[in-house]
Amino acid sequence: AQSVTQLGSHVSVSEGALVLLRCNYSSSVPPYLFWYVQYPNQGLQLLLKYTTGATLVKGINGFEAEFKKSETSFHLTKPSAHMSDAAEYFCAVSEPKDYKLSFGAGTTVTVRA
Amino acid sequence: GAVVSQHPSWVICKSGTSVKIECRSLDFQATTMFWYRQFPKQSLMLMATSNEGSKATYEQGVEKDKFLINHASLTLSTLTVTSAHPEDSSFYICSATKGFPGLAGGPGTGELFFGEGSRLTVL
Repeated sequence: AQSVTQLGSHVSVSEGALVLLRCNYSSSVPPYLFWYVQYPNQGLQLLLKYTTGATLVKGINGFEAEFKKSETSFHLTKPSAHMSDAAEYFCAVSEPKDYKLSFGAGTTVTVRA
Repeated sequence: GAVVSQHPSWVICKSGTSVKIECRSLDFQATTMFWYRQFPKQSLMLMATSNEGSKATYEQGVEKDKFLINHASLTLSTLTVTSAHPEDSSFYICSATKGFPGLAGGPGTGELFFGEGSRLTVL
């Protein structure tokens, strides 16, 4: 079984500042890891994913995440926050065999002008 | 691209009635679809996994007679909330995949594509 813990339910950053969202996972097998963004009353959009290979993954909208097996982490970062980054962010994990996602509780990002 | 569309986006119904939500993959054939439920300010909880032509697999604690799932074609899955009650009010989201890498029958990409969600309010 897999699970995800997102540290911090709410993150507030200034426009232009670094965005850092923390995610730790638990999995009995090598995991697939995902970050999704959700805007109000909308579905989820994939930001990036790690399956195999390079541990630093680049996604859309300037986001990237690094898979650190030793720390069981998959933190999401963006060097410079934009107002449009205000949204809910979900980290998710799955086993490679079935893509059944287990989501974290989510982190709400607000961006201050 | 890979687009998944849900209909309706919003639905309000009276207690005791049944509501059907459709999930369509518009430009690809979805071997598997997933249905999630999301309460306000909370994460997504997987309700069931739906494979075309077979019975859905429900997660523990999800009433299969309450939430009927049908996956009659490779582009359409439906979720019917039967005899809806106010506690069924929620945001329901579907996702679809083209397939899973390494499984016999097709390479797939393994990526999940999400619908826009359907907000159900039961009065």
